[in-house]
Amino acid sequence: QKEVEQNSGPLSVPEGAIASLNCTYSDRGSQSFFWYRQYSGKSPELIMSIYSNGDKEDGRFTAQLNKASQYVSLLIRDSQPSDSATYLCAVNIYGQNFVFGPGTRLSVLP
Amino acid sequence: EAGVAQSPRYKIIEKRQSVAFWCNPISGHATLYWYQQILGQGPKLLIQFQNNGVVDDSQLPKDRFSAERLKGVDSTLKIQPAKLEDSAVYLCASSFREGNYGYTFGSGTRLTVV
Repeated sequence: QKEVEQNSGPLSVPEGAIASLNCTYSDRGSQSFFWYRQYSGKSPELIMSIYSNGDKEDGRFTAQLNKASQYVSLLIRDSQPSDSATYLCAVNIYGQNFVFGPGTRLSVLP
Repeated sequence: EAGVAQSPRYKIIEKRQSVAFWCNPISGHATLYWYQQILGQGPKLLIQFQNNGVVDDSQLPKDRFSAERLKGVDSTLKIQPAKLEDSAVYLCASSFREGNYGYTFGSGTRLTVV
């Protein structure tokens, strides 16, 4: 049974700080990794994907992948109140389906 | 491009009644997914279609849930009879092809079973 784990939070950070969200996965065959943002009452929205070890940056977002340790993280720099949402980690093995974690609720305090 | 369309947005039914949800994926997207998201949890895959064929329905409760994608475009998910624990948001998603690609979700249908 493939599992994806995340701290449920809430994770509270002050405006302008760095928010760090973590995700671990159980299946070593996992090949692609995604972060989705979900505002309350809305559907998930893809914000980052990462496929190889290391860092991938996109604006204020940085995804980090460490396959040996089986974890993937998302850093949000200069956090804004508009970043307050639930962040879902999703893991995929090629040819199989995504497994989502339970999500971490982030609250950015003005 | 137009997004994934779903209807209805909300539905309230009594237990043991039936309900159907409709999804129209992004044009040209061959792969379509139905997910169930219970409040406070991540989405859980119910069924995946590739064109009009089922790729994975291992987590679909087949005694009460059914889904079809007859012409390889839009899809319908049905629950009959509904149980209280079916209360959730039902999300449809589509992607251009199967594989390691992030996909786009529709706005979802929030089902409440009373």
